[in-house]
Amino acid sequence: KQEVTQIPAALSVPEGENLVLNCSFTDSAIYNLQWFRQDPGKGLTSLLLIQSSQREQTSGRLNASLDKSSGRSTLYIAASQPGDSATYLCAVEDSSNTGKLIFGQGTTLQVKP
Amino acid sequence: NAGVTQTPKFQVLKTGQSMTLQCAQDMNHNSMYWYRQDPGMGLRLIYYSASEGTTDKGEVPNGYNVSRLNKREFSLRLESAAPSQTSVYFCASSQGGRIMFFGPGTRLTVL
Repeated sequence: KQEVTQIPAALSVPEGENLVLNCSFTDSAIYNLQWFRQDPGKGLTSLLLIQSSQREQTSGRLNASLDKSSGRSTLYIAASQPGDSATYLCAVEDSSNTGKLIFGQGTTLQVKP
Repeated sequence: NAGVTQTPKFQVLKTGQSMTLQCAQDMNHNSMYWYRQDPGMGLRLIYYSASEGTTDKGEVPNGYNVSRLNKREFSLRLESAAPSQTSVYFCASSQGGRIMFFGPGTRLTVL
């Protein structure tokens, strides 16, 4: 059974710092991996999607990498801002291509001014 | 485009009552999903519909039923609510392994 783990559960950094969020998964047979952002009391917003054949994706100050063989993904946030404060979740879609996502429990990020 | 919409936003039920959570998407997606989010448990899949006319169980289907009314709408029904079903419920949709879009959620309390 696929399991997704995110470490750390919470992170507090000063504004301007570069940071890395980690995601690991137990079964490397995945179709893709997505990183989501969730603000308190809100739904999830997809930030980046990496197909299984890709190594990384970039969007603005965000860069996500994928190493299928080791079962790891990282989300790199450059020059963090207070507006980046949120919970970040990673999710994997298994190779059955049904679209079902299995989520990690998230990392709650606080960026202090 | 409204994306994925859910009604109601909040609901309080008594144990044993029934209710239906409504979800609609306007992106012409084939696949729709119902997740629940609980503290310490993350998001767990309740049911999904890979295409109009089909539904399948997810990780935690007990106590729920779903209906894929048409391509746009996917409803979740609690026939006899229990306190263990207190949660935040999210509907989502996607198309062919592309990004998943989520609704704003329904916050349900069962007393």
